[in-house]
Amino acid sequence: KNEVEQSPQNLTAQEGEFITINCSYSVGISALHWLQQHPGGGIVSLFMLSSGKKKHGRLIATINIQEKHSSLHITASHPRDSAVYICAVKAITQGGSEKLVFGKGTKLTVNP
Amino acid sequence: DVKVTQSSRYLVKRTGEKVFLECVQDMDHENMFWYRQDPGLGLRLIYFSYDVKMKEKGDIPEGYSVSREKKERFSLILESASTNQTSMYLCASSESVVDSRHQPQHFGDGTRLSIL
Repeated sequence: KNEVEQSPQNLTAQEGEFITINCSYSVGISALHWLQQHPGGGIVSLFMLSSGKKKHGRLIATINIQEKHSSLHITASHPRDSAVYICAVKAITQGGSEKLVFGKGTKLTVNP
Repeated sequence: DVKVTQSSRYLVKRTGEKVFLECVQDMDHENMFWYRQDPGLGLRLIYFSYDVKMKEKGDIPEGYSVSREKKERFSLILESASTNQTSMYLCASSESVVDSRHQPQHFGDGTRLSIL
């Protein structure tokens, strides 16, 4: 079982729909990272959070540490939101150091 | 804004060649990382460096080496390229602080490497 699981793997939506992408993890973490990767490869950091909720424009990220779960929400989705969204956790290793563990990504397509 | 620049967006090399992928960051970050990204596997860490001349193996270091002679530059080297090293390679950097919870990694645009 992967340490970071995302769902769904693929998501197709109509413009204007509210979108939720989920991330569950099974390891102890110090923080969780949501990344966006557009076709062509470049990765952009959207959020880094260790508790509660963060909002930036139409994007909202939440995390529940007790349940080891995070969600990324997109309100009023637009075709330019089409991208792969990647959840990554800063996992605490047995030696006490940290390493970034990535989910496999959710491919979002928003149709006009 | 942090800028992480990878020297090539697309690269085609032949089996057995020695291949250099270069990455430069302009924010004086201590940490630099090399990942490869493959369909169905996500991002996997190859090597990282937490200071000049310091390096640590990631999850899949076999067939790769790295060089960090200057703080701003982190090079990934394929000593003898093989076809299974065809992939998207991503470089990232981050600050090194006592509380790293709020220090994100900043990624370059990636290099799509094809080994023929």
